Amino acid sequence: DTGVSQNPRHKITKRGQNVTFRCDPISEHNRLYWYRQTLGQGPEFLTYFQNEAQLEKSRLLSDRFSAERPKGSFSTLEIQRTEQGDSAMYLCASSLTGATGNTIYFGEGSWLTVV
Amino acid sequence: GENVEQHPSTLSVQEGDSAVIKCTYSDSASNYFPWYKQELGKRPQLIIDIRSNVGEKKDQRIAVTLNKTAKHFSLHITETQPEDSAVYFCAAIPPGTYKYIFGTGTRLKVLA
Repeated sequence: DTGVSQNPRHKITKRGQNVTFRCDPISEHNRLYWYRQTLGQGPEFLTYFQNEAQLEKSRLLSDRFSAERPKGSFSTLEIQRTEQGDSAMYLCASSLTGATGNTIYFGEGSWLTVV
Repeated sequence: GENVEQHPSTLSVQEGDSAVIKCTYSDSASNYFPWYKQELGKRPQLIIDIRSNVGEKKDQRIAVTLNKTAKHFSLHITETQPEDSAVYFCAAIPPGTYKYIFGTGTRLKVLA
């Protein structure tokens, strides 16, 4: 499967612990996005990269969230000191550079449950 | 910033009937409007999109219309089938960025 790959697919953690999710985009895609989705809501933008540069980060994102894409390929999203409100599905997506409107392709998501 | 509103939140139709989902956006400079379908427990997948230089686009039973003056765009599904049951999301891209702003979704149920 050459689509966007995310792992782990499911993570249960205790409040206060740190968690890290990994995303491997489609191989030739140089834009990578992170979104968060809760039940009954649309995907909420967190951040995106073009190659290794983080171009935009949501103002809603607290300092406990950090994302990296060190070599312009895979990306990690770390959540420090998790809170119950962080429970959600974290979606990664990727696309090709080009005119606005290049299709973004989503991964299957990483479900986080904070207990 | 860009805001996308989507209605209705749930929609039930009889198999074979049409379904229409509407979205409005706030930034008049937005110029690309995709629609995604998300089945339960699966990833959102693009089903159709439209750019601001056209008013309508069709792909078999699915069509999207865009009214730039009113800042709204709609998804039309004709001859609905049970496999059309899913959550549908619209999105817009604010100018000067490549991030997608999604609507809150419409849960479509097609009743057999």
